[in-house]
Amino acid sequence: AQSVTQLDSQVPVFEEAPVELRCNYSSSVSVYLFWYVQYPNQGLQLLLKYLSGSTLVKGINGFEAEFNKSQTSFHLRKPSVHISDTAEYFCAVSDSGTYKYIFGTGTRLKVLA
Amino acid sequence: SAVISQKPSRDICQRGTSLTIQCQVDSQVTMMFWYRQQPGQSLTLIATANQGSEATYESGFVIDKFPISRPNLTFSTLTVSNMSPEDSSIYLCSVRPGGNEQFFGPGTRLTVL
Repeated sequence: AQSVTQLDSQVPVFEEAPVELRCNYSSSVSVYLFWYVQYPNQGLQLLLKYLSGSTLVKGINGFEAEFNKSQTSFHLRKPSVHISDTAEYFCAVSDSGTYKYIFGTGTRLKVLA
Repeated sequence: SAVISQKPSRDICQRGTSLTIQCQVDSQVTMMFWYRQQPGQSLTLIATANQGSEATYESGFVIDKFPISRPNLTFSTLTVSNMSPEDSSIYLCSVRPGGNEQFFGPGTRLTVL
């Protein structure tokens, strides 16, 4: 069965510094990959998605992610973070051909002034 | 995309009682999902609710505890029955309008005393 690992439960980073949030999934079959952000006391908002094509995916708010099939990873990056990026970030995987998401445990990004 | 609203946004309930959560979508969608997010944890799929058919429950979730209605293509309800403190969670509905991504509602924050 598919599983998703977000190794870092919390990532503190100073404002304007770069950040990478890691996501690995277990199965190498064809997958769809997603990153969602959850701001305090809010629902989930889609940041970006990989369905096919270019392995570098750009999303909203300056975030991007790279799909690496050989390493079964989909790490999220931002070159310069803002205080407003403080939130919980979830990676999700769906085997293509199914509709079910498997979520990672989340990474809490805390941007420090 | 889709705009989703949930009612109530939060509630505090006594053990042994039941709470019905409503999910309203601004467009007609076939596939709707209910998730649970326990404190400090990731999202777990409770069930899939497609209009015109019985909800499909994931392992560990049963209809007697979490009855779901889906009377039309824009609305669904999830009832949390005979609540205990372990049911304290955020409950989120999501929809899959037609592409491969899901869009989430703002969630219902439930506290059971």
